[in-house]
Amino acid sequence: AQSVAQPEDQVNVAEGNPLTVKCTYSVSGNPYLFWYVQYPNRGLQFLLKYITGDNLVKGSYGFEAEFNKSQTSFHLKKPSALVSDSALYFCAVRDNTGGFKTIFGAGTRLFVKA
Amino acid sequence: KAGVTQTPRYLIKTRGQQVTLSCSPISGHRSVSWYQQTPGQGLQFLFEYFSETQRNKGNFPGRFSGRQFSNSRSEMNVSTLELGDSALYLCASSLGAGRYVDEQFFGPGTRLTVL
Repeated sequence: AQSVAQPEDQVNVAEGNPLTVKCTYSVSGNPYLFWYVQYPNRGLQFLLKYITGDNLVKGSYGFEAEFNKSQTSFHLKKPSALVSDSALYFCAVRDNTGGFKTIFGAGTRLFVKA
Repeated sequence: KAGVTQTPRYLIKTRGQQVTLSCSPISGHRSVSWYQQTPGQGLQFLFEYFSETQRNKGNFPGRFSGRQFSNSRSEMNVSTLELGDSALYLCASSLGAGRYVDEQFFGPGTRLTVL
C-alpha cells in the first residue's frame, strides 16, 4: 500500500537560512512524487514533481527536492528562506502500477521568521 | 484558462441530511480527484474519476459517492451526514491520460459544516 510520512508537524527557520521539509514514502512500484503548497486562504498549488531522471528536481519559487531511492525520501529544500514561504507544505506520492491514487502526507507547517 | 471551480463554496447542513458538491475541471482535463481535508487528518483521498469511470477510491464509507459526466464535470454526494463529515472538500483535476501523471490543479474547496 502507498504511504507518505512527513515526520515534522512544523519547521521553523530564520529568513535567509536554508530550509528543508522532510518526506519519506512507500509504494509498490516506481514512485511519482510531488510537493504542493497551501498558503493561508488559498488553494493547494503545485510546486514540483519527480517522475524519472535527475534526482534533483527544481520547481517554483526557488524550491528544489532531492529524490533518494535508497532512503525512499523526497525532501523539499530551498537555499534561502523568505518570510513569504510560510505556508503548509504537502508531499504526495503516486505509484506507476495503475493504482490511480495519489496519497498525501499530513503536511508540514513552515514558519519563516524575519 | 479558467481554473478548477467548485460549488458551493460553503455549506451548512444538519446531521442526517445529504449533500451534493460539484466540481468543474480545467478545460481539457479528463481526470478528477476528490479529497477531504481536516486539521487532524490532512488530505484524505476519496476517489478518482477518468472518462466517467471511477478508477480508484479511498477508505471512506459507502455514504460517500461520486460520479463524472461526459464533459468531465464531477459531483460527489454524502448521504446521512455525520458531525465528523465537517471538512474542506477539495477537487483536483489533471490531464490524466494513461498512467503518466501530471500534477493536479486544485479548486478552492467546499467548506462543509454539519451541525
